[in-house]
Amino acid sequence: GEDVEQSLFLSVREGDSSVINCTYTDSSSTYLYWYKQEPGAGLQLLTYIFSNMDMKQDQRLTVLLNKKDKHLSLRIADTQTGDSAIYFCAEGASGGSYIPTFGRGTSLIVHP
Amino acid sequence: DVKVTQSSRYLVKRTGEKVFLECVQDMDHENMFWYRQDPGLGLRLIYFSYDVKMKEKGDIPEGYSVSREKKERFSLILESASTNQTSMYLCATEGSGTHNEQFFGPGTRLTVL
Repeated sequence: GEDVEQSLFLSVREGDSSVINCTYTDSSSTYLYWYKQEPGAGLQLLTYIFSNMDMKQDQRLTVLLNKKDKHLSLRIADTQTGDSAIYFCAEGASGGSYIPTFGRGTSLIVHP
Repeated sequence: DVKVTQSSRYLVKRTGEKVFLECVQDMDHENMFWYRQDPGLGLRLIYFSYDVKMKEKGDIPEGYSVSREKKERFSLILESASTNQTSMYLCATEGSGTHNEQFFGPGTRLTVL
């Protein structure tokens, strides 16, 4: 079945850039998502990229997609302590019956 | 904004009790989902529903059932709670929007003693 892999932990210093990586297996994915989960809360969509795009930038966030290698990354510039959270990579497709697949989540720890 | 609410943020139950977790959404979304989240395991899909009175098993349905009598409400039922069902339970909805993203509730942390 479909699989989404990401590392479990990332620790960075405040002000540095963070890069969270993800690999997926389903070549029919239409959308790739990044969700953020703050402590004690549910997941919230951070950004997404359509599968025919290579890059998407939104303020401090940059998403890179290498469709050939099925590799997705999220770069957070000037990482702040408020960015400390769990980040989930997910893949999905159009159509009401498609169930998205989530990675296990990467815990980003930002220290002063 | 889509709002997804869950009936309790924290719940403590005893082994063998019947437990109801409620999820309500206000955006008329067709699809609703129940996940459990455990450290190191990420999200695992328990059940989902495409429409009223319709339900489909996810990856780990054993020990759970669901009910969807109204479009806005999706309930997760633990028929006889066990300690291995101690977890964070997340409800999500998904509409027929352009990006198919999911909208999550705040979660219910269930402890079974």
